[in-house]
Order: sequence, then C-alpha cells, then structure tokens
Amino acid sequence: RKEVEQDPGPFNVPEGATVAFNCTYSNSASQSFFWYRQDCRKEPKLLMSVYSSGNEDGRFTAQLNRASQYISLLIRDSKLSDSATYLCAVNGNNYGQNFVFGPGTRLSVLP
Amino acid sequence: NAGVTQTPKFQVLKTGQSMTLQCAQDMNHNSMYWYRQDPGMGLRLIYYSASEGTTDKGEVPNGYNVSRLNKREFSLRLESAAPSQTSVYFCASSETPAGPYEQYFGPGTRLTVT
Repeated sequence: RKEVEQDPGPFNVPEGATVAFNCTYSNSASQSFFWYRQDCRKEPKLLMSVYSSGNEDGRFTAQLNRASQYISLLIRDSKLSDSATYLCAVNGNNYGQNFVFGPGTRLSVLP
Repeated sequence: NAGVTQTPKFQVLKTGQSMTLQCAQDMNHNSMYWYRQDPGMGLRLIYYSASEGTTDKGEVPNGYNVSRLNKREFSLRLESAAPSQTSVYFCASSETPAGPYEQYFGPGTRLTVT
C-alpha cells in the first residue's frame, strides 16, 4: 500500500459546483497535513495546512480524520480558475521522516 | 524575496552526458529537497538535506548525487544521464524536515535525455 493515496480523477465539474477530494495516509505517526495546488507545467504551491479541528479559507475547507487516517478538501462554488491538480502531503514530527506527497487529483471546472 | 530559484529551466542531454542542476533559496530555511515528477508517479524524493552539511537519500537516489554547498544552495548532479532520467525536477525548501512546516518549491527544470 502506498503511503499517501488519492483518487487521480479527473473530476470534471460545472462552475458553481461543490467538489470534495479525499486523501488517505498509512503512517499513523503522521502529524502535519497539507493541501497543495499544482497548475499545469508549474510547481506545487501550498493551498492550505490542515489542522486537527478542521479549517476554512474562503471557499476551501480542509478536514482531518485521524481515526480513519484521511484528510479531505472541499471546494465550494467552483471557479474556472480552480482547475488544477490537488496534492495532499503528510509529514511526521520525527527528524528524518520524509514529507510524503500523494499522486494528486486533477480537477477540471467546466463553464 | 525570490523564494526558491532553479537553473536551468530547460535542458536537453544526450545519453551519457553529465550536468548539474542548481537550486538556491533565500528564506533562511534549514532543509532542502530534490524531487522528480513523472506522469502518473507523483513527486518522488531523490535526496534531501535536513541541514547544512548533511544529505540523505530519498526514494529514488540511484544515478544522482547532491551537494549542499551552503545553507542557501543545494545542487543535484547527474553523472551519466540516461533516458529514464527524463523528468521534471523540483527543488524545495522548508524550515525543518519535520513538524508543521510546509515545503516551498522552485519553478522546476524540465530535462530531456535522448
């Protein structure tokens, strides 16, 4: 089983739709969680960190479920500009634990 | 603040040639990383440097060497390029390798080995 798994998609949704992505991780010692956004032929950029109690940034909501070892990203009122690949990443608190990225989920928001 | 910079942006090599990819960060981060990204494979860690003076292998180190030249700079060397090393290479940096610190990425180097 891979350390971090995501549904590769693509998710094709109409503008204004709500879309949710899940990301599962296998290392129960993981302590830090992130969502990155990667546009075509560009570098990944941090979208948001994921906090234990869940957190929101505008139209984006991130949740963490430690018991089931997954994180989620909800995008409300999708915009064309949200079209990108969304990568989840997990990290541990122990020196030497690698920051592990999921393979990414591709989102296409259609007019 | 330039963040993380990488040179070159594009490179074409013939099999057997060597080259060095350069990376520099101006955020005073302790840790730096080299990844490769291939279609369907996601980001794979090649080498990382937790702090100045240390380097460690990642998931796919074969065929690569690294040098942490100083706190700012971390280079990746391909001694004898192979077609399997055709990929997009990203350098990243973070405050430390553990804890709640995100990684910041450079713009990438697109390498083709023929």
